[in-house]
Amino acid sequence: AQSVTQLDSHVSVSEGTPVLLRCNYSSSYSPSLFWYVQHPNKGLQLLLKYTSAATLVKGINGFEAEFKKSETSFHLTKPSAHMSDAAEYFCVVSRENNNDMRFGAGTRLTVKP
Amino acid sequence: DVKVTQSSRYLVKRTGEKVFLECVQDMDHENMFWYRQDPGLGLRLIYFSYDVKMKEKGDIPEGYSVSREKKERFSLILESASTNQTSMYLCASSRQGGETQYFGPGTRLLVL
Repeated sequence: AQSVTQLDSHVSVSEGTPVLLRCNYSSSYSPSLFWYVQHPNKGLQLLLKYTSAATLVKGINGFEAEFKKSETSFHLTKPSAHMSDAAEYFCVVSRENNNDMRFGAGTRLTVKP
Repeated sequence: DVKVTQSSRYLVKRTGEKVFLECVQDMDHENMFWYRQDPGLGLRLIYFSYDVKMKEKGDIPEGYSVSREKKERFSLILESASTNQTSMYLCASSRQGGETQYFGPGTRLLVL
């Protein structure tokens, strides 16, 4: 069985400050982990994914995430928030090479000017 | 680029109507998926298909059926729409054995 918990339903930051979106996972198998972003009235876009290679994963738009097995975490970070980062973010776990993806409940990121 | 398209962005239907949601992908992906998205619940899998005419139930298949007659097209059917099926519906596709799913823009369905 596998699942993810996104620890914050809503995060608010000021433009130019760091972003941290937290995700803990549970998996009986070697996990693949993903972050997707959803802008208002749009579908989901893949930000980055971890698949048992380097533990620090770099994604699009300056985002990165670090896989920490000891903490069962996969937090998403960005050094400096931009207004265009305002969106909903989903952490996802799947079994490696398997299509069964489990989504977190989502974290809504608000960026204040 | 992978493109997944959904037939409607917004749809309003009445209780008891039969509803068809269509999804088309242009990357020759074997796998296709239907999810519904509700606030605070993330995405939940309704059905998926790994080949033409093949389908598997997801976590919440009740009240839904699917059809996959061609590789590029995956349809979600609400046999008799109910108000609790008001939701955002997202279609996705992926290659066989691949983990990354590519999503369409979604259909926001309102059942009155």
